[in-house]
Amino acid sequence: KAGVTQTPRYLIKTRGQQVTLSCSPISGHRSVSWYQQTPGQGLQFLFEYFSETQRNKGNFPGRFSGRQFSNSRSEMNVSTLELGDSALYLCASSLAGGGANEQFFGPGTRLTVL
Amino acid sequence: AQSVSQHNHHVILSEAASLELGCNYSYGGTVNLFWYVQYPGQHLQLLLKYFSGDPLVKGIKGFEAEFIKSKFSFNLRKPSVQWSDTAEYFCAVTPWGNNRLAFGKGNQVVVIP
Repeated sequence: KAGVTQTPRYLIKTRGQQVTLSCSPISGHRSVSWYQQTPGQGLQFLFEYFSETQRNKGNFPGRFSGRQFSNSRSEMNVSTLELGDSALYLCASSLAGGGANEQFFGPGTRLTVL
Repeated sequence: AQSVSQHNHHVILSEAASLELGCNYSYGGTVNLFWYVQYPGQHLQLLLKYFSGDPLVKGIKGFEAEFIKSKFSFNLRKPSVQWSDTAEYFCAVTPWGNNRLAFGKGNQVVVIP
């Protein structure tokens, strides 16, 4: 069974630009969550999608948005990039959204904002 | 919102030494508890999890953790570490019925051969 895949793996952008990151969950998984990992703040929850609906949202500005498609693939978008958005963005998938679920993480997309 | 505390961010020890990493969380309700590991250059992997039942859980690679509800703790242990255990370890918690993982700051563990 293939794991969680994320594309691209590395991205370099300049301030003010926007970026779209993609995540393909494990086959059969319907919940996709996104996390930001930085040396200073650690791992922080961005949002979760389940059945194409955003079900949870973290404390990030509105520049961070996402969506989920009918095949459970998900994208996140960051508009008007700032230097502080440089981070590793991780996607995680799980079978369902509720109760006790194990989340499986992808390798991440390393975003550098210059 | 729940929060997770991990102490002793940097841990250096010799092979065959015992390892214990502390994890405390703050949340009043039922929780799911996890330890994830991130080996150098690799992605986050689940080491072990606690959902319910026996509070002593065993994970991969000889790791175990004990959930002590009264102390809001979920400490990770390994009796004898190997060089290959060099990694960053993260404790995480979600409220029951929720996939929003709250992570601790992590423990960077270096095992010296």
